[in-house]
Amino acid sequence: LAKTTQPISMDSYEGQEVNITCSHNNIATNDYITWYQQFPSQGPRFIIQGYKTKVTNEVASLFIPADRKSSTLSLPRVSLSDTAVYYCLTYGNNRLAFGKGNQVVVIP
Amino acid sequence: GAVVSQHPSWVICKSGTSVKIECRSLDFQATTMFWYRQFPKQSLMLMATSNEGSKATYEQGVEKDKFLINHASLTLSTLTVTSAHPEDSSFYICSAHGPADTGELFFGEGSRLTVL
Repeated sequence: LAKTTQPISMDSYEGQEVNITCSHNNIATNDYITWYQQFPSQGPRFIIQGYKTKVTNEVASLFIPADRKSSTLSLPRVSLSDTAVYYCLTYGNNRLAFGKGNQVVVIP
Repeated sequence: GAVVSQHPSWVICKSGTSVKIECRSLDFQATTMFWYRQFPKQSLMLMATSNEGSKATYEQGVEKDKFLINHASLTLSTLTVTSAHPEDSSFYICSAHGPADTGELFFGEGSRLTVL
């Protein structure tokens, strides 16, 4: 399994860009990289998914280098409601690995 | 997007009783579902992979006789915590592989189990 590692916690002010990096050194060829947001006592919510290079949607961007051994989630202009835990997940062929999660606290 | 629903969202039970948690894919068929357990301030820990029509595959250290998984249909998987004890109190989450071949997992809302 592709073991994933993430930093633990970070604070950010409202309106700033937040970047969170996840390492997945043993990612397999067929694995996708997905990022989820989780609020307390709720299931993870999908943010963005990619395989390689850069992906952007209405809420975030995902940067994946050529070797795919890491990925960076970028949240532009965070708001208070973005305070949550963010997880990276590698998944393919019914094998999955969750990162430990990164607590993002947005400060007014 | 695809929707996965869990029931109940929370349950309190006495020690020694069994509790069943359901995971349903509402608008798609899921041949594979995953069950996780999450303790406070920790990441999701994969417990088992549930396969429709066959036995579940359990992760190392997870007791299959303690956590019974049944995936009898393409839209329903159940997790039964047998003879629950206070240390089984946790947040249980399921996920299902979405209908498209995109590698996306859809998660249920989670079920909070408290064993007294």
